[in-house]
Amino acid sequence: GENVEQHPSTLSVQEGDSAVIKCTYSDSASNYFPWYKQELGKRPQLIIDIRSNVGEKKDQRIAVTLNKTAKHFSLHITETQPEDSAVYFCAAWTPGGYNKLIFGAGTRLAVHP
Amino acid sequence: KAGVTQTPRYLIKTRGQQVTLSCSPISGHRSVSWYQQTPGQGLQFLFEYFSETQRNKGNFPGRFSGRQFSNSRSEMNVSTLELGDSALYLCASSLIPDSEKLFFGSGTQLSVL
Repeated sequence: GENVEQHPSTLSVQEGDSAVIKCTYSDSASNYFPWYKQELGKRPQLIIDIRSNVGEKKDQRIAVTLNKTAKHFSLHITETQPEDSAVYFCAAWTPGGYNKLIFGAGTRLAVHP
Repeated sequence: KAGVTQTPRYLIKTRGQQVTLSCSPISGHRSVSWYQQTPGQGLQFLFEYFSETQRNKGNFPGRFSGRQFSNSRSEMNVSTLELGDSALYLCASSLIPDSEKLFFGSGTQLSVL
């Protein structure tokens, strides 16, 4: 069935370093890929997304890249800050599918001052 | 505009009991989806409701059920609780069904003892 794999499951970086989270999806018909950030005890919130007709998208310190051929997409956070510490979820949207938005298992990012 | 509201915030139940969770979507949003979040499993889709009708259902046993009211508020019920049902249950609303953009509530943390 449809599946999204996310790696790593935990990531620890020093403040100021970069962080990269990678996801792989299985359904080649997927055409929309959002990333959600969930701080401890709070709701998941959309932080950035990308559509399949675009290879890269940036928003200040965060960027997402998409390789449709390999069915990979990644989240890049530069100049990390302690407030970036959270669980990050990737997801893949497939139009017309039964369960349209499939989430990865999440990455717990810890940014140490 | 108020966000997605879930009640209660925390619940403690014992095995065999049943539980009802409530979700009020963003005003004007007519579609409500439910997800189960457990550590290491990400967000697993439970079901989606629109116009008081269940449109999609995930791969969960029949003990998990839901409904939606005419004001778009939704409830989720779990009967005969098992220890493995302990999780964060998230509700998400969207303007229309099959929408890529989901707005999540803060969830109900259910603990089954």
